Amino acid sequence: DGGITQSPKYLFRKEGQNVTLSCEQNLNHDAMYWYRQDPGQGLRLIYYSQIVNDFQKGDIAEGYSVSREKKESFPLTVTSAQKNPTAFYLCASTPDVVRTEAFFGQGTRLTVV
Amino acid sequence: AQTVTQSQPEMSVQEAETVTLSCTYDTSENNYYLFWYKQPPSRQMILVIRQEAYKQQNATENRFSVNFQKAAKSFSLKISDSQLGDTAMYFCATDSNYQLIWGAGTKLIIKP
Repeated sequence: DGGITQSPKYLFRKEGQNVTLSCEQNLNHDAMYWYRQDPGQGLRLIYYSQIVNDFQKGDIAEGYSVSREKKESFPLTVTSAQKNPTAFYLCASTPDVVRTEAFFGQGTRLTVV
Repeated sequence: AQTVTQSQPEMSVQEAETVTLSCTYDTSENNYYLFWYKQPPSRQMILVIRQEAYKQQNATENRFSVNFQKAAKSFSLKISDSQLGDTAMYFCATDSNYQLIWGAGTKLIIKP
């Protein structure tokens, strides 16, 4: 079945460590997105990529980095520079732009301990 | 800047009742889309319904329909014959510059 797979579902990190969240899609979508979700807030865009080897910062990119070496994969690294990384992270993809339906992964809950 | 406001943090209704979730937005786009997404307890975000702003006819998807008032910048979601499986967070969103702008969400609880 086509879809988006995020892994792991739960992730614990010690302060000062970098951690990478995986996002893989087999929908043949061009565009991929990373969102952060905090309680009582809507989704906030961290990074997005419309094509391989190209990506753009979203509203809250500081402390995060991404790569898009393959169409299917868009990993997100949460660096030690991110001051408040504990959150729920969602990856999404669309065929081209967001006006079509966005498909989401099941998310990764990151907790800094 | 584009904004989306959902004024109801939480709502609850009895099963089989009709419920309306509110959403207002502000945008400088001339041609834009509006969305309602559902996030059940599993946290898998799913598209419920989509409306193209240039279309006057309100979108419908089975038990889900919208009341789109373009001049008032209002985009409410009506759920008819509500079911227990409708219990979820509901997010209103609009598109702008290759991204979606999201409201804070409404937690909807359907009581048996």
